Parts: sequence; C-alpha cells; structure tokens
Amino acid sequence: DIQMTQSPSSLSASVGDRVTITCRASQSVANYLNWYQQKPGKAPKLLIYAASNLQSGVPSRFSGSGSGTDFTLTISSLQPEDFATYFCQQSYSTPYTFGQGTKLQIK
Amino acid sequence: QLQLQESGPGLVKPSETLSLTCTVSGDSISRSSYYWAWIRQPPGKGLEWIGNIYYTGTIYYNPSLKSRVTISVDTSKNQFSLMLTSVTAADTAVYYCASGNWNYGQRWFDPWGQGSLVTVSS
Repeated sequence: DIQMTQSPSSLSASVGDRVTITCRASQSVANYLNWYQQKPGKAPKLLIYAASNLQSGVPSRFSGSGSGTDFTLTISSLQPEDFATYFCQQSYSTPYTFGQGTKLQIK
Repeated sequence: QLQLQESGPGLVKPSETLSLTCTVSGDSISRSSYYWAWIRQPPGKGLEWIGNIYYTGTIYYNPSLKSRVTISVDTSKNQFSLMLTSVTAADTAVYYCASGNWNYGQRWFDPWGQGSLVTVSS
C-alpha cells in the first residue's frame, strides 16, 4: 500500500494568514493526488483533484501543487470558514489511501 | 446535481453483518462517467477506502477488508450497497458512500453522502 503522510498534523493560524500543508507519498503517485476539506460532523468535500486542479465552486484562495512524492495545499488568505481538517488522497493505485489529516485551528 | 444518501442500521452486534445502502439521486447510477465507492472513518480518526464498483461490474476492494466485504449495485433502484461480515468493535465508524469521477485516468471522490454512523456493540 502507498502510505500518505501529512505535515503538520495540526496547525494554528489567523484569519488572513497564508497556510501550506504538505503531503508526502511513500512512492511516486505522479499527479494522482486529491485534497479534501472536512468540517466537524460533515462529509469530506473535494477541493483539488489531480494535484493542482481546483474543483468547481471552490474559492481561488485554495491551490495545490506537486508531483511524484511531494505535494502541497496552499490557502493564500485564510477565511473563518477555512478552519477544518484537510486530507490528501492518492488515486494512483488501489488500495486508495488517505493522509492522516491536518487540523487547521484558529490561533 | 448528484446527491447520495446512506441508510441502514446504526447498531450491529459483534460477529453479525453490517449492511448499508446508498441511494443516488440526480443522475443514473448506470452512467459510465461515474463509479461508486464506500469509505469509512472511525470516530476521531482518518479515512479508509473500502472499495469501488464500476458500471461494468468491475469491483475493487481494499485487501485489508476483502475477505469480509461485498459491494453491489441495484440499477432498478438507483442504489448501491455495502455488506461487511463478521464485524467487531474495530468496524465502528461513520460509513460514507461517494461518487467516483474519472477523467484522463485521474480519479477522485465527489460528492459524498452525509455519512452513516454504525456502532458495533452487543
């Protein structure tokens, strides 16, 4: 199985901050990497697919980059509604696997 | 707009079978542009992919669960289902159904159902 490791596991930031979350794969997944946002008690929501493609309806302050084994999710200017947990997921090979999550909290 | 909704018992006894159904609305479950997935999340933990079923009938399961899992589709009801046998407390989780999308070989899950908490307890 491909292991996905996110860092940091938690992060405190303020409204307006620029935030970067990292996801590392245990082997190359090319650009088969997706990012999801999950708020408490809710289902995950797709933000970015294929490493850098913004899902329709997602604000442009979210962006993704990377290929191979190293990927980043960047939020350019944090908004109050962005405080949530973020997961990366590889779709390169089954079993599809997720990172352990990064919890973004208000400072 | 595609919507998914899980349904099924919220409590299952140890050693019994967990059964959940996902009802799809807004489009046909037979459309080739979709595949259908189950994903679970133990309380306070991360996400675990359970398996996918394609319109062709091809199914992929997580090897960690493969001996206990069955995913099936009922096109007449626009539903797909999950069965997990011989459950233990470790199977307690929120179970999500999701629509899989694919394009140029890329795959992602969107949208997801709201989730169904299943507790395994006697």
